[in-house]
Amino acid sequence: DAGVTQSPTHLIKTRGQQVTLRCSPKSGHDTVSWYQQALGQGPQFIFQYYEEEERQRGNFPDRFSGHQFPNYSSELNVNALLLGDSALYLCASSQGLAVRNTGELFFGEGSRLTVL
Amino acid sequence: AQSVTQLDSQVPVFEEAPVELRCNYSSSVSVYLFWYVQYPNQGLQLLLKYLSGSTLVKGINGFEAEFNKSQTSFHLRKPSVHISDTAEYFCAVSVFSGGYNKLIFGAGTRLAVHP
Repeated sequence: DAGVTQSPTHLIKTRGQQVTLRCSPKSGHDTVSWYQQALGQGPQFIFQYYEEEERQRGNFPDRFSGHQFPNYSSELNVNALLLGDSALYLCASSQGLAVRNTGELFFGEGSRLTVL
Repeated sequence: AQSVTQLDSQVPVFEEAPVELRCNYSSSVSVYLFWYVQYPNQGLQLLLKYLSGSTLVKGINGFEAEFNKSQTSFHLRKPSVHISDTAEYFCAVSVFSGGYNKLIFGAGTRLAVHP
């Protein structure tokens, strides 16, 4: 049973560039959430996708955008990168709407982004 | 808004000693609570969860946590730690909104187990 997979594992970008991170959810899951974890901090909620639509969004600027595909996989895009965007980006999957789940998330290993 | 406070940023402890990692949450409604562990350069792994029922919850690797509604706490405990327990531990609360939920995390507690 494949868990949550993310790619790439590491990448380095320069300020102003754009980056795309990818995530495949755990088998049987249809909801994908993205979190940003800066060094020494807890994960911060970016947004959540279900049925190919953004359902919830945290306090992140519009430079952060996403997409969910029909196979439930997801992408996180960040435009106009800033030094402060350097972080571990975590993808997490779950199953369906809140009424059908407890909120437990299954996490991938993350994509570590360094912005120079 | 719901929030999670982890009262200790770092907890040093000797091997085979007991440990308690403290977590308080703020919420006016029923909550689901979680503890996750993060080993170096890895993602988050679920240790245990409280959904309802018994306030003492047992998880993996010998960890347990106690839900205390009156004190809005969910402290994590282990009676005897091992070197391999050295990691970052995150407390989280599930927040429901508009038919969807998300996890809100604390800032984390770094557990350092010394020989």
